[in-house]
Amino acid sequence: DIVMTQSPESLAVSLGERATINCKSSQSVLQSSHNKNYLGWYQQKPGQPPKLLIYWASTRESGVPDRFSGSESGTDFTLTISSLQAEDVAVYYCQQYHSVPWTFGQGTKVEIK
Amino acid sequence: QVHLQESGPGLLKPSETLSLTCTVSGGSIIGYFWSWIRQPPGKGLEWIGYINYSGAINYNPSLMSRVTMSLDTSNNQFFLKLSSVTAADTGMYYCARARAPGWLGELNSWGQGTLVTVSS
Repeated sequence: DIVMTQSPESLAVSLGERATINCKSSQSVLQSSHNKNYLGWYQQKPGQPPKLLIYWASTRESGVPDRFSGSESGTDFTLTISSLQAEDVAVYYCQQYHSVPWTFGQGTKVEIK
Repeated sequence: QVHLQESGPGLLKPSETLSLTCTVSGGSIIGYFWSWIRQPPGKGLEWIGYINYSGAINYNPSLMSRVTMSLDTSNNQFFLKLSSVTAADTGMYYCARARAPGWLGELNSWGQGTLVTVSS
């Protein structure tokens, strides 16, 4: 199985400041035929299902605010919230869909400082 | 806008079989891959498996011996069965759809989830 390791487990950021979440895959999730990393980021608020934010490591899902961005470097991936808003308080998960079983990171909880 | 709704019994005894239904509205079940994901209370997400209308199925190997997925195109529903449940199977169960027709990957439509508790 591909293990997805997120860091930190939690972080507290002031409103308007940048939040950065890291995710590392134990193996490459690059689909060579597509030349895309099969990596997604999800946001889960309390009592709600996950919501897709980013796919292919850096493509923003339709309707997602542009303060959310994804970047990639080999097996290292980053989700950045450029200016944290109160509504961004949530747990964030990365997920690889390159190989079965699809696997998720353990989650990063983002709070307001 | 597609809508997914999970349904099924919320309380099971150990060794029983969990049976869940995901009803899809606002779009056809044909053409897409459909997944089940679960989340133990206070914990992270676990992918259970996916299915599509043409019979492509894949299960998480950790659950493969106990899982069966199926699909009913006439009623726009798909199903999950998990046999021999234990307390470790307690959690929220979500159904979800892949982002694009024929696409296997990222999940951009989710049901609200249904809580399953296994207890004697």
